[in-house]
Amino acid sequence: ILNVEQSPQSLHVQEGDSTNFTCSFPSSNFYALHWYRWETAKSPEALFVMTLNGDEKKKGQISATLNTKEGYSYLYIKGSQPEDSATYLCAFGDSWGKLQFGAGTQVVVTP
Amino acid sequence: DGGITQSPKYLFRKEGQNVTLSCEQNLNHDAMYWYRQDPGQGLRLIYYSQIVNDFQKGDIAEGYSVSREKKESFPLTVTSAQKNPTAFYLCASSIQAGGPYEQYFGPGTRLTVT
Repeated sequence: ILNVEQSPQSLHVQEGDSTNFTCSFPSSNFYALHWYRWETAKSPEALFVMTLNGDEKKKGQISATLNTKEGYSYLYIKGSQPEDSATYLCAFGDSWGKLQFGAGTQVVVTP
Repeated sequence: DGGITQSPKYLFRKEGQNVTLSCEQNLNHDAMYWYRQDPGQGLRLIYYSQIVNDFQKGDIAEGYSVSREKKESFPLTVTSAQKNPTAFYLCASSIQAGGPYEQYFGPGTRLTVT
């Protein structure tokens, strides 16, 4: 079982502020890094699947970067809105499609 | 409207009873997965199936069993051998297993065993 860690565990952000948080994973045998958003009372939804070192992906005001050599990925939220409140999960994927999830970063955006 | 359905949303059982959680998908995906969530922990893989009539154990398969007789369906049975069955269970699917494909999740079933 691989060690996938996310920090911080939770954070509170004022509406309009930007924030970022980290996912760290083993740097050896890298295949894919996934980010999911999990809103309360909903199903987790995929944000990004990243496979290349240096990859940057963007969806609306959310973006992610990937450093496979040092084993980390950052997720950025620019100009946070209340609807960005969710738990953000990262997962280390192998070539079989199996995912090892981190415990998540819970983001609360207050108006 | 394609997606994954899990039923029921809440399930209560007495200790010592087996219980089966339903997972159905109409996305025509080959691969399906079962995860368990416990407070403060990441999702943990119980079983996965790459194709019909085939499945493999995940990281925490003890006390669970699955079947994959149809592409659309991947039921999970929580047996009386599972020591701590009370948890939130999520089913997921992806277009195929071997590749960096995103997974699509169902709404989950919360199982309480007393």
